[in-house]
Amino acid sequence: NAGVTQTPKFQVLKTGQSMTLQCAQDMNHEYMSWYRQDPGMGLRLIHYSVGAGITDQGEVPNGYNVSRSTTEDFPLRLLSAAPSQTSVYFCASREGVFNEQFFGPGTRLTVL
Amino acid sequence: AQKITQTQPGMFVQEKEAVTLDCTYDTSDQSYGLFWYKQPSSGEMIFLIYQGSYDEQNATEGRYSLNFQKARKSANLVISASQLGDSAMYFCAMRDLDSNYQLIWGAGTKLIIKP
Repeated sequence: NAGVTQTPKFQVLKTGQSMTLQCAQDMNHEYMSWYRQDPGMGLRLIHYSVGAGITDQGEVPNGYNVSRSTTEDFPLRLLSAAPSQTSVYFCASREGVFNEQFFGPGTRLTVL
Repeated sequence: AQKITQTQPGMFVQEKEAVTLDCTYDTSDQSYGLFWYKQPSSGEMIFLIYQGSYDEQNATEGRYSLNFQKARKSANLVISASQLGDSAMYFCAMRDLDSNYQLIWGAGTKLIIKP
């Protein structure tokens, strides 16, 4: 059981570039989420999904897109990177709405 | 609106002492859940303990226990007999109906255990 995996671990982008952060889980969890973590601010929810084909916005969705075509995968797309998107990004999954979340190892993104 | 407050940005504690990390929350929902996570310097998020609003007993998991005071809307994490490996960031989080059962996170407390 690999749990929640994220790629890449590190990424440097130039302003205006686009990219996709990958997230996959092998626990057959319905619920998946993307967070960003900035210093001193805890985690903020970007987008989440309650099952394949169903996504919704979180607290800070602007500049990001998601899709959920399979139960396993939940990629996060940065449409046109900005320095304000420099952050650590975590993907998480959980079995049900009342269960704890399992986190991936994170992606450290720097936008120059 | 729901809110999680962790008022201690940082704490220093002597090894082997017990430590209490504060967490207060605000919600209008009667059914909610509270979580504590640990984030070591390596960066991963580790689930520690969970308390449901209707749970009659305070949650315990090994050296971790949750001091849940519903009327005061507080859910403090207690670590008994602290160890050097407990040095980390600790986050409190809540989920309720108003948040569509998504987690709302506090800003965290940085705990440093002194030898």
